[in-house]
Amino acid sequence: DGGITQSPKYLFRKEGQNVTLSCEQNLNHDAMYWYRQDPGQGLRLIYYSQIVNDFQKGDIAEGYSVSREKKESFPLTVTSAQKNPTAFYLCASSARGVGEKLFFGSGTQLSVL
Amino acid sequence: GQQLNQSPQSMFIQEGEDVSMNCTSSSIFNTWLWYKQDPGEGPVLLIALYKAGELTSNGRLTAQFGITRKDSFLNISASIPSDVGIYFCAGHNFGNEKLTFGTGTRLTIIP
Repeated sequence: DGGITQSPKYLFRKEGQNVTLSCEQNLNHDAMYWYRQDPGQGLRLIYYSQIVNDFQKGDIAEGYSVSREKKESFPLTVTSAQKNPTAFYLCASSARGVGEKLFFGSGTQLSVL
Repeated sequence: GQQLNQSPQSMFIQEGEDVSMNCTSSSIFNTWLWYKQDPGEGPVLLIALYKAGELTSNGRLTAQFGITRKDSFLNISASIPSDVGIYFCAGHNFGNEKLTFGTGTRLTIIP
């Protein structure tokens, strides 16, 4: 079955540590996105990528980094510069020309130890 | 970045009741969408609206694209336990690479 896989489901970060969240899709979608979800605040865009080897900052990119070396993969690194990383992180993808129809993964809950 | 205003923020209803929620924006959109998020999961697209005034149904769900293009409405008839979750509206304009999401309406069904 086609879909988006995020791993791990739960992740814990120590102070000063970088952590990487995985996102893989087999839908052959060109565009991929990372969102952060905090209680009561909806979905905020961190980074997005329309094609391989290219990505743009979203509304809250500070303290995060991404790469897009393969069409299927769009990992997100939460760096130590992100002072409030505890949140639910969602990865999504969309087909070319249908950017409004996002397919989401099941999310990663990141917590700080 | 802009976030759309959804109301109500939360709803507590009994099974079988009808539900209404809305989403407003300070700017116009070409497309309005409604997503639903089950607890601990990612959102899933329910309905997409492409024309001002359009009324579209998906089973017990009905959504409308406001005439002003600055709002949208979602109704759920005869609610059932699996309707529990967070409902997000989203706006989109042609040529824009990003969606603008609402703040969400959390639906809880009281036994």
